[in-house]
Amino acid sequence: QSVLTQPPSVSGAPGQRVTISCTGSSSNIGTGYDVFWYQQLPGTAPKLLSYGNFNRPSGVPDRFRGSKSGTSASLAITELQAEDEADYYCQTYDSSLSGWVFGGGTKLTVL
Amino acid sequence: EVQLVESGGNLVQPGRSLRLSCAASGFIFDDYGIHWVRQAPGKGLEWVSGIGWNSGNVAYADSVKGRFTISRDNAKNSVYLQMNSLRVEDMAFYYCTKARDSVGYSGFDGWGRGTLVTVSS
Repeated sequence: QSVLTQPPSVSGAPGQRVTISCTGSSSNIGTGYDVFWYQQLPGTAPKLLSYGNFNRPSGVPDRFRGSKSGTSASLAITELQAEDEADYYCQTYDSSLSGWVFGGGTKLTVL
Repeated sequence: EVQLVESGGNLVQPGRSLRLSCAASGFIFDDYGIHWVRQAPGKGLEWVSGIGWNSGNVAYADSVKGRFTISRDNAKNSVYLQMNSLRVEDMAFYYCTKARDSVGYSGFDGWGRGTLVTVSS
């Protein structure tokens, strides 16, 4: 059971918008620690998609938008493309555990 | 370009030890925290351990605390993970990852390809 809860799967058709949620608690997201999102394409290492709750590293399309409110965060992907099919993970720091935590991951299927 | 290359993964029996290495290049190594993240086949990501720029801010996941030890050698641009008393549940790909800051509070923006640790009798 992950400290951060994500839906196991989401899906959408090309061109549509999907949102992936990440629910935490008062010891992690709710404390004010930044939330990060990673994309993991099949057979590859994870890649940072979003940092500081809503910023994107250079090279990441603005179709990927992170946000945070209270003890939850979300990643919105607009104009869905076939190449977006991957696993997505949220991550932050947890003060109760004194360590970093990942969500269980969400598999995005592009229909 | 940030490069992180893990090595040391192998097949090992339960209860034995293994030492993973991570060789870094392409950035000022002693400015950044380095972490290990693992992923069992077909499973999600699990943070394992992290070490700050000056070998401070060392932290471990509860699942490995007391068995794993992380260290770094800034002169060699390398980080190590000494894994003792290995268990079947430690079997996974182990990724070395670079923090965006000196500890890790700003996310991880560089990842190696991973090294596979297999624990089996």
